[in-house]
Amino acid sequence: QKEVEQNSGPLSVPEGAIASLNCTYSDRVSQSFFWYRQYSGKSPELIMSIYSNGDKEDGRFTAQLNKASQYVSLLIRDSQPSDSATYLCAHEGNAGNMLTFGGGTRLMVKP
Amino acid sequence: ETGVTQSPTHLIKTRGQQVTLRCSSQSGHNTVSWYQQALGQGPQFIFQYYREEENGRGNFPPRFSGLQFPNYSSELNVNALELDDSALYLCASSWGGNTEAFFGQGTRLTVV
Repeated sequence: QKEVEQNSGPLSVPEGAIASLNCTYSDRVSQSFFWYRQYSGKSPELIMSIYSNGDKEDGRFTAQLNKASQYVSLLIRDSQPSDSATYLCAHEGNAGNMLTFGGGTRLMVKP
Repeated sequence: ETGVTQSPTHLIKTRGQQVTLRCSSQSGHNTVSWYQQALGQGPQFIFQYYREEENGRGNFPPRFSGLQFPNYSSELNVNALELDDSALYLCASSWGGNTEAFFGQGTRLTVV
């Protein structure tokens, strides 16, 4: 079992819809969770961090964390074609501050 | 822009050669981590440097080594390059216990 699991996609949503990206993890000790956006050929860009159970909202983005279920998700409201990218879920691993990443979910927002 | 800069942006090397990649961390950050990202995969942790000391290492062989300098910039060295070392190498900087890490633009290494 991979430490961080994501559906590779592609997830295709129409412009203006809500995109829902999901991630499960196996390390129960993890306290810090992150979502990165990566455009093709570019480096990952941090878009959300979440540390406690519940929802955290930042503009069109909402991160949701459920530590009991070992599940973290990212909702993107009013999806735009510019949101088309790969979204990487990551958590703080067990070797200091290292990040353990999932394989990413490719999101396609169609005009 | 994150303020984390990497050089070079692209590099082509021959199998068996050695390579050095460089990273300047964001101002105020004292921790640098290196990741390898193969095509279509998530980044894999190589190692981390905190205040010039190695502070954790992933599942990479000893031919991957690094340094951190007093100004917190860092180098990643890879000896005896193999074809499978072809990847995007990412440097991320953060501040101490704050695990929010910000990536540089990466170095695309191709081994032929």
